[in-house]
Amino acid sequence: EAGVTQSPTHLIKTRGQQATLRCSPISGHTSVYWYQQALGLGLQFLLWYDEGEERNRGNFPPRFSGRQFPNYSSELNVNALELEDSALYLCASSIGTSGINEQFFGPGTRLTVL
Amino acid sequence: KNEVEQSPQNLTAQEGEFITINCSYSVGISALHWLQQHPGGGIVSLFMLSSGKKKHGRLIATINIQEKHSSLHITASHPRDSAVYICAAPLMDSSYKLIFGSGTRLLVRP
Repeated sequence: EAGVTQSPTHLIKTRGQQATLRCSPISGHTSVYWYQQALGLGLQFLLWYDEGEERNRGNFPPRFSGRQFPNYSSELNVNALELEDSALYLCASSIGTSGINEQFFGPGTRLTVL
Repeated sequence: KNEVEQSPQNLTAQEGEFITINCSYSVGISALHWLQQHPGGGIVSLFMLSSGKKKHGRLIATINIQEKHSSLHITASHPRDSAVYICAAPLMDSSYKLIFGSGTRLLVRP
C-alpha cells in the first residue's frame, strides 16, 4: 500500500512569490495535517484538514492556507513568501480524528525562499 | 516550560551500546508517538503507544501515563540507527495536533 506522498520534493521561490505544496494521504485516511520544520527549529503544527474542512490551524499568519479535496488530498499555499518561510514542510495523514490514531508522515517538501 | 520535553538533546554511542532516550510531557494525552527523522528529512513513525510497552526489532518503547513519561530504548545499537528521534503527543482538544519534543540527535559510531 502506498504511503503518504508529497510533491514537489524541492521548491525554490523568491520573496513575494506564492508556493503550492501537495499531499496525498494513505488510502482510507481522511485527516491531513501540515507541519513546518524551519532550519534549526522543531516541528510546528500548521494546519489540520478533515473531511474537506479546515479543523484547526497553528500560530501562523493567514498567508498560510490550504484546502482538502474530495479525494482527501490536500494543498498548502503560502502567499507573499518571506525568507523565514524556508523550511521542510511535512504532511501527515491519519484515519479519522481520534487522538488515538497514528499519524503517518510523507517525505516532505523542502521550500527555499531566496 | 515546553509541553513535551526530551533528553538528552545529543547522544553519541559506540556500536552495540544500549541507548535510552527520555520524553516527559505536561499535557493530557491519549497516546504518545515516537518518530525517527533521518538526515534527508523524512519522518518515520516508530511507535504510538498509550500504555505499557511496545517492541519492534531492536526498538522498545515504554510509557507511564501516571508519571507522564516515556522512554525509547535501542538495543545493540548500529550506525544505521543514527538519526534524530522525536517524541510527540497529540493534544486532547478537538484538534489532536501533535506537539513535538525538540528531538534527540543520536550518533552511533562503528
